[in-house]
Amino acid sequence: KNEVEQSPQNLTAQEGEFITINCSYSVGISALHWLQQHPGGGIVSLFMLSSGKKKHGRLIATINIQEKHSSLHITASHPRDSAVYICAVNYGGSQGNLIFGKGTKLSVKP
Amino acid sequence: NAGVTQTPKFRILKIGQSMTLQCTQDMNHNYMYWYRQDPGMGLKLIYYSVGAGITDKGEVPNGYNVSRSTTEDFPLRLELAAPSQTSVYFCASSYRGRANEKLFFGSGTQLSVL
Repeated sequence: KNEVEQSPQNLTAQEGEFITINCSYSVGISALHWLQQHPGGGIVSLFMLSSGKKKHGRLIATINIQEKHSSLHITASHPRDSAVYICAVNYGGSQGNLIFGKGTKLSVKP
Repeated sequence: NAGVTQTPKFRILKIGQSMTLQCTQDMNHNYMYWYRQDPGMGLKLIYYSVGAGITDKGEVPNGYNVSRSTTEDFPLRLELAAPSQTSVYFCASSYRGRANEKLFFGSGTQLSVL
């Protein structure tokens, strides 16, 4: 069974801390997505990865294909980063094959 | 450019009632998707469409129907609502549905069936 596991499930940090959220999957993939779900419920796509590393502002996403593992890092965290971060992997050629993790709930305290 | 627009944002239904969740996108995307998100679970694909007139089942299609008469609109129909359909529903779209394309999501519909 194709599965996506995220850790931790919940994470509380102080403003300014460096944060890491992990995602592991079970078989080879076409692409991996990191999504952000705001407290109001909306979902925004942050990154898509098939190899290597991507950076956007204070967010960095990495993927290790051999280890079937990806990490999302947030540098200099801020209360506005508080959200649920969702990892999703694509095992096939189309996005009809996306499998979503359960999410990591991040709370950044001022 | 509004992106993906879902209506309504909230709805309460009685068991056995029917309703349609509306989804519209203005990005000329070919692929559209309906997901449901249950508490503590990952999003599950209900139905998807690769273009006007073409729809296909996802992982959890039972109790739902869809249609795609235009590129812009992809409504989700609930017939004979059941408590198991209490969930948050998201519509999403992408241009060509390829694995490495960005997905655009609507703001969600929180549905309670009582």
